Amino acid sequence: AQSVTQLGSHVSVSEGALVLLRCNYSSSVPPYLFWYVQYPNQGLQLLLKYTTGATLVKGINGFEAEFKKSETSFHLTKPSAHMSDAAEYFCAVIHGSGNTGKLIFGQGTTLQVKP
Amino acid sequence: DAGVTQSPTHLIKTRGQQVTLRCSPKSGHDTVSWYQQALGQGPQFIFQYYEEEERQRGNFPDRFSGHQFPNYSSELNVNALLLGDSALYLCASSAMGGGLNEQFFGPGTRLTVL
Repeated sequence: AQSVTQLGSHVSVSEGALVLLRCNYSSSVPPYLFWYVQYPNQGLQLLLKYTTGATLVKGINGFEAEFKKSETSFHLTKPSAHMSDAAEYFCAVIHGSGNTGKLIFGQGTTLQVKP
Repeated sequence: DAGVTQSPTHLIKTRGQQVTLRCSPKSGHDTVSWYQQALGQGPQFIFQYYEEEERQRGNFPDRFSGHQFPNYSSELNVNALLLGDSALYLCASSAMGGGLNEQFFGPGTRLTVL
């Protein structure tokens, strides 16, 4: 069965600093991986996804993630944090073969950006 | 395009009551999934509807049921509410039966059970 572990429930960075949010997955089949962002009192918005092909995936708002099969990781990065990046971030994996679209989410990481 | 809409935004119920939450998918989408997000947790999959049928179900009791209408909108019903049902309920829609197609999430319905 697929599962996702996000390391660190809270991450705090200064504005302009590197953002690194960690995600490790467990999957018995090739995984399809996603990062979502949730702003207060809003639903989830897709940042980026990995299905097949290039392992470095670029998303919206300057975020990117690299799929590393050997490390079973899909960490999210952004070179320079902005105040507007403060939000909750969720890593997710598609369950099974991907035909049904059932998302399995991690516990989430709250990103705080200090001025 | 209004995106995914959900109603109501907030709801307060007491234990033992029943509740119905509603979701209208994004234009052009035919698949609706429901998730429960408890405070401080990631969303958990409840079930998914496609072609008016429940196609897949997560680890939730039968108190949780749903429906999809011919216009693709959907309802989530919860019977015999428990305190532990207090959560944000998220609806997500996707196209062509779901799969790897992007799921667009609504803003959610915040349910409080007293």
